[in-house]
Amino acid sequence: GENVEQHPSTLSVQEGDSAVIKCTYSDSASNYFPWYKQELGKGPQLIIDIRSNVGEKKDQRIAVTLNKTAKHFSLHITETQPEDSAVYFCAATGFQKLVFGTGTRLLVSP
Amino acid sequence: EAQVTQNPRYLITVTGKKLTVTCSQNMNHEYMSWYRQDPGLGLRQIYYSMNVEVTDKGDVPEGYKVSRKEKRNFPLILESPSPNQTSLYFCASSLQGARTGELFFGEGSRLTVL
Repeated sequence: GENVEQHPSTLSVQEGDSAVIKCTYSDSASNYFPWYKQELGKGPQLIIDIRSNVGEKKDQRIAVTLNKTAKHFSLHITETQPEDSAVYFCAATGFQKLVFGTGTRLLVSP
Repeated sequence: EAQVTQNPRYLITVTGKKLTVTCSQNMNHEYMSWYRQDPGLGLRQIYYSMNVEVTDKGDVPEGYKVSRKEKRNFPLILESPSPNQTSLYFCASSLQGARTGELFFGEGSRLTVL
């Protein structure tokens, strides 16, 4: 089945810096790759996703890139702000389900 | 307001005492799922349901049961809870199914089994 690895597990940046979180997946049949943000005490919320027919997608300060050959995808956050502090999960499609990475705790210091 | 509602949000119980965590969604979604979140392990799927009366095991189903008698409700049942089921539980729903559509999560239920 699908296996998703996510790195780093924690990431500390200064406000205004960029942050990059990387994930790799194992199932070459996976075709949908969402990213979720989990704020303290809340459930995860979708922030951006990408499908296998697209190499890059951007939404304001957030972008995701996908390399199907290498089976990895990344989340890029530019001009980070304190409100970006949260846990971020990548995911990839498995059979009838999403398989999540283990999460990255992002801390943005003012 | 579109939402997934879980109850209870917090629960402390003892080994062997049956409990049910309820989940309800008001978005008319066909797909619903339960996850548990543990430090260093991310979100792992327990059970999922593609539609009414259709349920299937996820990656960590041992010790859990579910039912889907109505489209909006998907309760998680722990028949005989054990300490290794201490975790943060999330219910989620999706219109299109987890493979292609956005998952909407509840706010979580933190369960402690003593």
